[in-house]
Amino acid sequence: GENVEQHPSTLSVQEGDSAVIKCTYSDSASNYFPWYKQELGKGPQLIIDIRSNVGEKKDQRIAVTLNKTAKHFSLHITETQPEDSAVYFCAANQGNEKLTFGTGTRLTIIP
Amino acid sequence: ETGVTQTPRHLVMGMTNKKSLKCEQHLGHNAMYWYKQSAKKPLELMFVYNFKEQTENNSVPSRFSPECPNSSHLFLHLHTLQPEDSALYLCASRPGGPQETQYFGPGTRLLVL
Repeated sequence: GENVEQHPSTLSVQEGDSAVIKCTYSDSASNYFPWYKQELGKGPQLIIDIRSNVGEKKDQRIAVTLNKTAKHFSLHITETQPEDSAVYFCAANQGNEKLTFGTGTRLTIIP
Repeated sequence: ETGVTQTPRHLVMGMTNKKSLKCEQHLGHNAMYWYKQSAKKPLELMFVYNFKEQTENNSVPSRFSPECPNSSHLFLHLHTLQPEDSALYLCASRPGGPQETQYFGPGTRLLVL
């Protein structure tokens, strides 16, 4: 089955700087890659996703890049703000019912 | 709020107890999920229901028993659990196909003593 690895597990960034979280996946059949943000006491919430027919997608301060050949994808957050502090999960899917998640990255924005 | 509610939010139970977790969504979504979230581990898919039919059972022990009486409600019945079953149990719902956004509830924090 699919295996998703996520790094780093924790990340501290000065407010205003950029943060990058990286994931690799094992199954080349995966073609959908969402990113979820989980704040304390809440369930995960989708922040951005990318499909395998594009290499990059951007939504305001958040961008995701995908390298199908290397089987890795990354989340980029620019101009970080305190409200960006949360746990971020990457995931991969092949079109079936199962979304395989990474182990999460705890992002802390230092004021 | 995502529109997915879970009750109770916290639950403490002994290994011989029977309890149930409830999930509810009135978003018109056709698929509902149960996930287990443990510290430093990926979210583990437990069950998926599509239009009330179970479409995925991810090798979950029989002490966890799901029930989906309609597309808006999902239950997880618990009996004779083990301490290692302590975790956050998340419910999610989804409109359309598998690559549509999943909307998560806040979870039930379960402690098994």
